[in-house]
Amino acid sequence: AQTVTQSQPEMSVQEAETVTLSCTYDTSESDYYLFWYKQPPSRQMILVIRQEAYKQQNATENRFSVNFQKAAKSFSLKISDSQLGDAAMYFCAYRSEGGSGTYKYIFGTGTRLKVLA
Amino acid sequence: ETGVTQTPRHLVMGMTNKKSLKCEQHLGHNAMYWYKQSAKKPLELMFVYSLEERVENNSVPSRFSPECPNSSHLFLHLHTLQPEDSALYLCASSQDSGGPQETQYFGPGTRLLVL
Repeated sequence: AQTVTQSQPEMSVQEAETVTLSCTYDTSESDYYLFWYKQPPSRQMILVIRQEAYKQQNATENRFSVNFQKAAKSFSLKISDSQLGDAAMYFCAYRSEGGSGTYKYIFGTGTRLKVLA
Repeated sequence: ETGVTQTPRHLVMGMTNKKSLKCEQHLGHNAMYWYKQSAKKPLELMFVYSLEERVENNSVPSRFSPECPNSSHLFLHLHTLQPEDSALYLCASSQDSGGPQETQYFGPGTRLLVL
């Protein structure tokens, strides 16, 4: 079974600085998708960035980028020029096939990011 | 807003009560999900529906009963819950096409407290 591990329960970063959130996963599949979701306090969980495992190029979305190391099964999220609005819980997720053609999303325990002014 | 709504946003119930959580998606998706989010634990997938048919039930106790009358609506019926069932219940939907743009969209959740 696939597992997702986020070893940092909490991280802090100074405003305008860069922070990296760690995620490792375990799978025997060769083709899969990885995601980072953001859950601000009392707000909806939203997708930050996704990575297809078959792509070697790391995904980027504005200030957010990933470091995808397939052999090491590592998928870290880098946030550049951190802003106060980046403060949230960040969840790493792995997508695998479920039953009857559906897809299962397996989430890590999350990392709470604090942004210091 | 992501197009997935949940009601109520907060619910307090006694262990003998019966209540229902409602989820509605306006995205034209085929699949809907119920998750349980407890503090310091990964999101726990409870149920998956694809085209109104339940395709996954992750060993969830029978006091939780899902219902999917159509592809836009998903309910979670609650009966004789326990205090340890207190959590944030999240609904999500996805197209379930399996393509590279496939992703889940989440609702705001229902914060449930069982007394």
